[in-house]
Amino acid sequence: AQSVTQLGSHVSVSEGALVLLRCNYSSSVPPYLFWYVQYPNQGLQLLLKYTTGATLVKGINGFEAEFKKSETSFHLTKPSAHMSDAAEYFCAVSDPGFNFGNEKLTFGTGTRLTIIP
Amino acid sequence: NAGVTQTPKFRVLKTGQSMTLLCAQDMNHEYMYWYRQDPGMGLRLIHYSVGEGTTAKGEVPDGYNVSRLKKQNFLLGLESAAPSQTSVYFCASSYTTEGFFYEQFFGPGTRLTVL
Repeated sequence: AQSVTQLGSHVSVSEGALVLLRCNYSSSVPPYLFWYVQYPNQGLQLLLKYTTGATLVKGINGFEAEFKKSETSFHLTKPSAHMSDAAEYFCAVSDPGFNFGNEKLTFGTGTRLTIIP
Repeated sequence: NAGVTQTPKFRVLKTGQSMTLLCAQDMNHEYMYWYRQDPGMGLRLIHYSVGEGTTAKGEVPDGYNVSRLKKQNFLLGLESAAPSQTSVYFCASSYTTEGFFYEQFFGPGTRLTVL
């Protein structure tokens, strides 16, 4: 069974500082990996995803994440935080491949990002 | 193109009452999902559907039933609501091509309180 661990349920950074949100997964094979963002009182929106190919993936709003198989990690970063980045961020994984199972996502428990002016 | 919509946005029930949450998508997606979101627990899958007329259990299916009579609609039912079902419910839809999984598109959520 897959699992996702997000280290730090709350992260605070100063405006303009580096944002680093951590995600580690447990899976028998390299999964597909996703980061979603949820703004207050809204649904989830895809930030970026890794399926195959280049391990550094870029997403919307200046975010990027790197898939590191050896570390089973998919940490999310942004060089310079903006006030509008305040939200909750969820890491998620799914089974890769062509069989049933890859249509389901397993989510982490989320990290609430606060930006300090 | 409205994407994924959910009805209602808010609801308060008394213990033992029943209700149905409606999810609709206009993207012709094959796959639809119901999740619940609780503080500190992320999103947990309740039920999902891989096509019209088919449904399957997710991680936390007890106390819920679903139906997918039309491709664009996915209904979540609570037959006898309990306080433990107080949560925010999200619907999502997605599609796949040749087995590759693409992103799930989420609705705005339904906030349900059971007293």
